[in-house]
Parts: sequence; C-alpha cells; structure tokens
Amino acid sequence: LAKTTQPISMDSYEGQEVNITCSHNNIATNDYITWYQQFPSQGPRFIIQGYKTKVTNEVASLFIPADRKSSTLSLPRVSLSDTAVYYCLANYGQNFVFGPGTRLSVLP
Amino acid sequence: DSGVTQTPKHLITATGQRVTLRCSPRSGDLSVYWYQQSLDQGLQFLIQYYNGEERAKGNILERFSAQQFPDLHSELNLSSLELGDSALYFCASSEGYGFGEKLFFGSGTQLSVL
Repeated sequence: LAKTTQPISMDSYEGQEVNITCSHNNIATNDYITWYQQFPSQGPRFIIQGYKTKVTNEVASLFIPADRKSSTLSLPRVSLSDTAVYYCLANYGQNFVFGPGTRLSVLP
Repeated sequence: DSGVTQTPKHLITATGQRVTLRCSPRSGDLSVYWYQQSLDQGLQFLIQYYNGEERAKGNILERFSAQQFPDLHSELNLSSLELGDSALYFCASSEGYGFGEKLFFGSGTQLSVL
C-alpha cells in the first residue's frame, strides 16, 4: 500500500506564510487530498480538501499539481495558535491512510 | 465540538483484560472509522463501518473487533490486552463512504494497559 510522506517538523515565526508539502505516490484517479490539523489530546480537525489545481478557504490554500503526486498546504500569516500537527490524507480507495504528520511550531 | 462522542475518555486496565470503547457518530452520518494513535506510529487506520456493514479494514489486530449497531453507534472491542495496546483511540464519522469524505473526529479514548 502506497504511503504519503511529509516533513516530520517545521518551524516558523508569527506572521509568516507556511507551506507544507505531502507526497502521495500511486494515488488513484478519483482520490481526494484532505488535510487535517491536530492539537495535543484532541482529535484531528478538517482543514481543506482538493482534487486538483488550487482550493482556498478561510484558513488555508491547497495546491495540487497536474500529476497529483504531491500537494502543498499553505497557511497564510500563521499565529501561535497554529502550532499543531498537520496530516495529509489521501483516500486510497477504501482505506483512509494518514501520513506521518508534520509538527509545526510557530515561534513568537 | 465535532458532534462525535466517545466514551470513556480514559480507561486503565491490566494486561490480558478486555475492554470496549464506544462511539456515537454525528447525527446523520452513516460511516464510522476507528483509529489508533500511539507515540511511535502516528494515526493508524483500524476499520470502517458503513450503515452497519464492515466497509474497509486496515491494520487491525485479530484481538480487536468492532461493530456498528442499527442505531449507528459503534463499539471497538480490545481483548487479551498487551502493554503495547496503550494508545489514544479515535473514532471518526462521515456522511457516506468512498472518495472525498470529510472525517469528523471525536476527542478519543486514552487506554492505558498496566
């Protein structure tokens, strides 16, 4: 079963834009890419979802190139409260396999 | 609040014992998913049910079993518990199944096996 890969950790400063990239090989034609945010001792929370090109909502943007082998979550102007683990999820058919997650630390 | 309810929040038990974790999905959601999260392995997908039927199976041990009842709540049964089963167990729900589903997670059950 193909897996997603993400950077283990990232550091940023308040007010900066943060981009987190996820690689997802062998993704199926109909699979969507979904990103979740998780704070300590809480369940993951949906952030954004896309299939191709670019999707934007009130908290983030998601960029997916034409080959769909990767995706990039973009968080504009992060704050301390954005410190969390971010997971990339590719719906491989019937299995909902999360990537290892990227631990984002936002520094003052 | 995601609308997904998990009970109990904490569970402490001994090796060899059996426990049951309970999950109530969001109103209207037909799919329930179970995940295990431990420090060294991240979020591991265990199993998915849709409207009472098993839909997908992940890395679920034979000692573990689950079911979804007619009222759509789900239970995860863990038996012959080992120290390594200590983890945070999450339940999630979604409207349907398949591609593009958005999962809504509960706050989890912290299982400690002593």
